[in-house]
This record gives sequence, structure tokens and C-alpha cells, in this order.
Amino acid sequence: GAVVSQHPSRVICKSGTSVKIECRSLDFQATTMFWYRQFPKQSLMLMATSNEGSKATYEQGVEKDKFLINHASLTLSTLTVTSAHPEDSSFYICSARDDQGVNEQFFGPGTRLTVL
Amino acid sequence: GEDVEQSLFLSVREGDSSVINCTYTDSSSTYLYWYKQEPGAGLQLLTYIFSNMDMKQDQRLTVLLNKKDKHLSLRIADTQTGDSAIYFCAELTDSWGKLQFGAGTQVVVTP
Repeated sequence: GAVVSQHPSRVICKSGTSVKIECRSLDFQATTMFWYRQFPKQSLMLMATSNEGSKATYEQGVEKDKFLINHASLTLSTLTVTSAHPEDSSFYICSARDDQGVNEQFFGPGTRLTVL
Repeated sequence: GEDVEQSLFLSVREGDSSVINCTYTDSSSTYLYWYKQEPGAGLQLLTYIFSNMDMKQDQRLTVLLNKKDKHLSLRIADTQTGDSAIYFCAELTDSWGKLQFGAGTQVVVTP
């Protein structure tokens, strides 16, 4: 099946620093990728829709200046958490929609962010 | 807005069948999905069903869709310990691929 990778798998950073998370579709092209946030024992909360070559669309309540998204190619989207604070600690998951598929969306393994 | 609901917990004996239920509210959803999440991992697409279908079977998995009641279920036959995980149902809410997830059902398989 289609594979989506995320890097890093876990990161610990100091408060005030920025962290970049990469999401790659390894064997398919994805014009559209999605970024989710998941708190412990909760469902996934969509943060933004990332479209290759255009600005991301953010969900209500998600600060676009804090969560910068860049989708520079058909296989790579990045999420940068700027000036991270402890409340940004969470599990971040990306998904990629296969351009050739029938509304199939494949998820990355997630990135555990801990802000000290 | 859209809301997807699932029961939160299911305990099942190894070898029995598991049935996970889900209700959704957006009658215009064209695709409905079942994902599996193991601890500390991302989501694995198990199966999906198109809205004009009533049933879809894929090996040990059977999906039933009742559009009238907006009810979706996932049956896992001969449940194994490796099936212990959280199962999410999701509905497609727009043409870009945006998904609305349920809260997830924790399935625990006991020997």
C-alpha cells in the first residue's frame, strides 16, 4: 500500500524554539495533504489542508502564523511550529491524498512533540 | 456541523466477532472510512465504503452501511490479539478530502 513518512518521529525542544516536521508521500503524488493534531485518548483534530503550490487552508481556531505550512512539491509538506510552548506538546499526524486514488487518504506514523 | 459518534470501548474474546458501530450526520457524505490506530502510531486505512453500497467485505472485515439511519458498522471476524487497537470511523466531508473523525473505539481482545 501507499506509504507516508514523517520526520522526526519524536522531538523534544525548549520553549520558544521552532520545530519543523516533514511529511512525505513515498510512492505516490499528493497535491493535497492534511495536518492533524491528536491529544491523548482523543480523536484527530484537523489543523489545516495543505495544497501544493498554494497557501494552506487553516481550520477555525488554528493560528496560521504559529503553524506554518509549506507544500513545495507533490511529495512533501512541512509543518513548522514557531515559538513553541508547552501547550503545543502533542502528537502531530499528517495524511496525504493519492492524486491517482479514489478519495484514499494515507496517514503518516505521527510526530510526538514535547516542549519543555 | 458534521458530527461522527462512536462507542468508546469494546472488549471481545479472541476468536469471537467484534462489531464496532458509528453514526454520522452528513447525509451527503460519499465515502465512509474505517481506520485502525495502534499505540504511538499513525492511522492505518482498513477499508472504506462508497455511499451507494450497503455492504463491503474484505477478508475478515465486513462493513455495513445503513444510509437511512446514517449508521456504519465494522465487523471483524475471528478477532485476534493483534486486532487490539483504537478504531476510527470517518466521513468524507468535501471534495478536497477533508475527513471528519469519530472519537475512536478502543477494542481490547482478551485471550
